[in-house]
Amino acid sequence: QKEVEQNSGPLSVPEGAIASLNCTYSDRGSQSFFWYRQYSGKSPELIMSIYSNGDKEDGRFTAQLNKASQYVSLLIRDSQPSDSATYLCAVIPGANSKLTFGKGITLSVRP
Amino acid sequence: NAGVTQTPKFQVLKTGQSMTLQCAQDMNHNSMYWYRQDPGMGLRLIYYSASEGTTDKGEVPNGYNVSRLNKREFSLRLESAAPSQTSVYFCASSEAGTIGYTFGSGTRLTVV
Repeated sequence: QKEVEQNSGPLSVPEGAIASLNCTYSDRGSQSFFWYRQYSGKSPELIMSIYSNGDKEDGRFTAQLNKASQYVSLLIRDSQPSDSATYLCAVIPGANSKLTFGKGITLSVRP
Repeated sequence: NAGVTQTPKFQVLKTGQSMTLQCAQDMNHNSMYWYRQDPGMGLRLIYYSASEGTTDKGEVPNGYNVSRLNKREFSLRLESAAPSQTSVYFCASSEAGTIGYTFGSGTRLTVV
């Protein structure tokens, strides 16, 4: 079982809608969770980090973490065409572990 | 504010040739990493260096070697390139294990 799963996709939403991106992880001891955005042909860029249960908001982005369900999500409100990219969920599974990535989900925002 | 710098950006090799990918960071980070990214496979860790003078294998180390030259620089060497090593390679650095990594711009390598 892969440690970080991002299933379904690609995802297409109309401009102005809420995009919801989901991720599950297998290691219950995981403490650190990240969302990266990667535009085509570019490197991953960190957009959100979350370490405790609940919601964390930054502008139009909200990261949600539920450790009991081993689930982390990213909500993008008022989606813009410039949000069209691949979003990578990443987890540090435990102490002295290294960042482990999901395969990513491609988001397309239709004008 | 350069962050993480990788060279070269593009490279084409013939099977069996060798090359070294260079990476340097100017953020005074202790830890550095090499990942490869393939379609449908996501980012996979090749090697990492937790601090100057130490290196460890990641998920896919076969066919690669690394050198942590000093705190700033971490190089990745392909001794005998194979078509299976065609990929995009990213170097990254971080200060501590819980902080998100900063990535370089990547090296697109094709082995023919």
